[in-house]
Amino acid sequence: EPEVTQTPSHQVTQMGQEVILRCVPISNHLYFYWYRQILGQKVEFLVSFYNNEISEKSEIFDDQFSVERPDGSNFTLKIRSTKLEDSAMYFCASSGLGLAGTYNEQFFGPGTRLTVL
Amino acid sequence: ELKVEQNPLFLSMQEGKNYTIYCNYSTTSDRLYWYRQDPGKSLESLFVLLSNGAVKQEGRLMASLDTKARLSTLHITAAVHDLSATYFCAVDINAGNMLTFGGGTRLMVKP
Repeated sequence: EPEVTQTPSHQVTQMGQEVILRCVPISNHLYFYWYRQILGQKVEFLVSFYNNEISEKSEIFDDQFSVERPDGSNFTLKIRSTKLEDSAMYFCASSGLGLAGTYNEQFFGPGTRLTVL
Repeated sequence: ELKVEQNPLFLSMQEGKNYTIYCNYSTTSDRLYWYRQDPGKSLESLFVLLSNGAVKQEGRLMASLDTKARLSTLHITAAVHDLSATYFCAVDINAGNMLTFGGGTRLMVKP
């Protein structure tokens, strides 16, 4: 069964460093998302991406964050200068088109645990 | 701003008992999702509810959606230990561009 994959599973970085989190969405999906979950808290939306551009972003997704689809398979989240409060689990998700062109459900990857020291 | 509230936040129950988790949301939507998350794991899709009155069942879990009341329920029948996990509801009000999650309900089923 197709699934969303993410690398690395765990990333440890120093405050102020740049990190890139990688995701491979399900191959025929068209919509891509990043969410984060601070330990013990709810899942929060960061950004959605369609047709090579951001379609929606939250207040969390400030200028320190960027997303890119560098090739036909990968979808990346970059944090330019990490802060302690960026420590969280980051989930990538993807979805395709449902019947009659409607949006379909999102499938989540296993997550990348980011620890900022 | 959309608010999604779940209750209870924590639920400890005995095996064999029934219980209901509630998900209220503040803005009109006809798309609601239930996910399960085991500790340290990702989100597993349980149910997709796409219209008022939708009811779906899988094993001991049944989910329903009342869009007029802006309420979804996840009913657990004859709980077993394997159902222990955190359950999240998520609401879509923006044509698939983003999901807004509830705070989660941590369920512990004791033998």
